[in-house]
Amino acid sequence: GDSVTQMEGPVTLSEEAFLTINCTYTATGYPSLFWYVQYPGEGLQLLLKATKADDKGSNKGFEATYRKETTSFHLEKGSVQVSDSAVYFCALTLTGSGANSKLTFGKGITLSVRP
Amino acid sequence: DTGVSQDPRHKITKRGQNVTFRCDPISEHNRLYWYRQTLGQGPEFLTYFQNEAQLEKSRLLSDRFSAERPKGSFSTLEIQRTEQGDSAMYLCASSPRGGSYNEQFFGPGTRLTVL
Repeated sequence: GDSVTQMEGPVTLSEEAFLTINCTYTATGYPSLFWYVQYPGEGLQLLLKATKADDKGSNKGFEATYRKETTSFHLEKGSVQVSDSAVYFCALTLTGSGANSKLTFGKGITLSVRP
Repeated sequence: DTGVSQDPRHKITKRGQNVTFRCDPISEHNRLYWYRQTLGQGPEFLTYFQNEAQLEKSRLLSDRFSAERPKGSFSTLEIQRTEQGDSAMYLCASSPRGGSYNEQFFGPGTRLTVL
């Protein structure tokens, strides 16, 4: 079946540090890939997405590139802020006719950024 | 424009009782999803509606669970004879029709605690 594997957490960084959160996937078809974020006390929000190989999704200074050859979609940010403290989920959905677009999520990783 | 809403936000019940949750999707979103999220895990797919038709159910959805979406608008998720293992956050998401992928918009969730 389809699955998403995220690196183990939690992650604690100082403000302005570089962030990488690893995500790899297995899929029976050709997936679209997503990063969702859950800020404290809030619901899940889409952070960025990529729908085909070599696409780069970006938003709020975060980036992730769809790497089909390594089945990866690592999240990066050059300089994190305290306001980036949240739980980050990597997810996929299968595309194409007949796919219901249900999301398959990784376990999530908690990021804490200290001033 | 309001987002996805869920009611109640919190529910505490005793084992063996029945509970019902409601989800109101974004208007004109024809796709509606239910997910369950337990502590330290990512959301897991439960079921999917396209308009009023329930098109897929996960094997996680035991016979004690039932979901409806009358008239293709709001949806309800009922759990009969609750068990302590049902304690989780129940998330609802909606998405519009069409496209090669469908961004899902999540509600705030209903947190269920079974004593």
